[in-house]
Amino acid sequence: AQRVTQPEKLLSVFKGAPVELKCNYSYSGSPELFWYVQYSRQRLQLLLRHISRESIKGFTADLNKGETSFHLKKPFAQEEDSAMYYCALGGGFKTIFGAGTRLFVKA
Amino acid sequence: EAGVAQSPRYKIIEKRQSVAFWCNPISGHATLYWYQQILGQGPKLLIQFQNNGVVDDSQLPKDRFSAERLKGVDSTLKIQPAKLEDSAVYLCASSYAKNIQYFGAGTRLSVL
Repeated sequence: AQRVTQPEKLLSVFKGAPVELKCNYSYSGSPELFWYVQYSRQRLQLLLRHISRESIKGFTADLNKGETSFHLKKPFAQEEDSAMYYCALGGGFKTIFGAGTRLFVKA
Repeated sequence: EAGVAQSPRYKIIEKRQSVAFWCNPISGHATLYWYQQILGQGPKLLIQFQNNGVVDDSQLPKDRFSAERLKGVDSTLKIQPAKLEDSAVYLCASSYAKNIQYFGAGTRLSVL
C-alpha cells in the first residue's frame, strides 16, 4: 500500500541553521516524490519534485530508494521559510500526501 | 495565468443539510482533483477526473458525496447529507502534466 510518513509535526530552528524535514514512503512501484509548501494565507503549491533534481529557494531533496526516503534540506534557514511542508507520493494515477511538518524559523 | 478558482471560501451548515462546492480549473488542464483536508492532516484525495471521466474515486464516500465534471471543465462536489466529521477544507487542484498539481484556495466547511 502507498504511504507517506512525515514524523515531525513541528520543526523549530534558528535563522541560519540547517534544516532537514523528513519524509519516508512506502510504495512497491517506481515512485514520484514531491514537496509541496503552504505559506501563511497562501494556497498549497509545488516546491520541488525528485525527477527535476533542482534546488528551489535553496531547498534540495534527494530520493533514496534504499531507505525509501525523500528528505528536504536547506543549509541555512531563513525566516521566510516558515510554512507548512507536505511530502507527496505519486504512484500510478494517485497522489498521497503526508500529514505535513510545520517549519518555524526563529529570528 | 489565472489560478484554480473555488467557491465559496467558507460555508457553515447544520448536520444533515446539503452543500455544494464549485471549482474552475486552470484553462487547458485536463486533470482535476478534489481533496479533503481535515485539521492537522494532509490532503486526502476524494476523486480525480481526467477530462470528464473519473480516474479514481476509491476514497469518495459515495453514500453521501458526489462529484461531476460536465464538459470536462469546471466541477462540483456535493455532500448530502452532511455529517459533523465532514468539517474540513475541500481543495480543488488541476494539472496538465502528470502529478504537478495547482491548488485552489479551498473551501472551509463547518458542520454544526
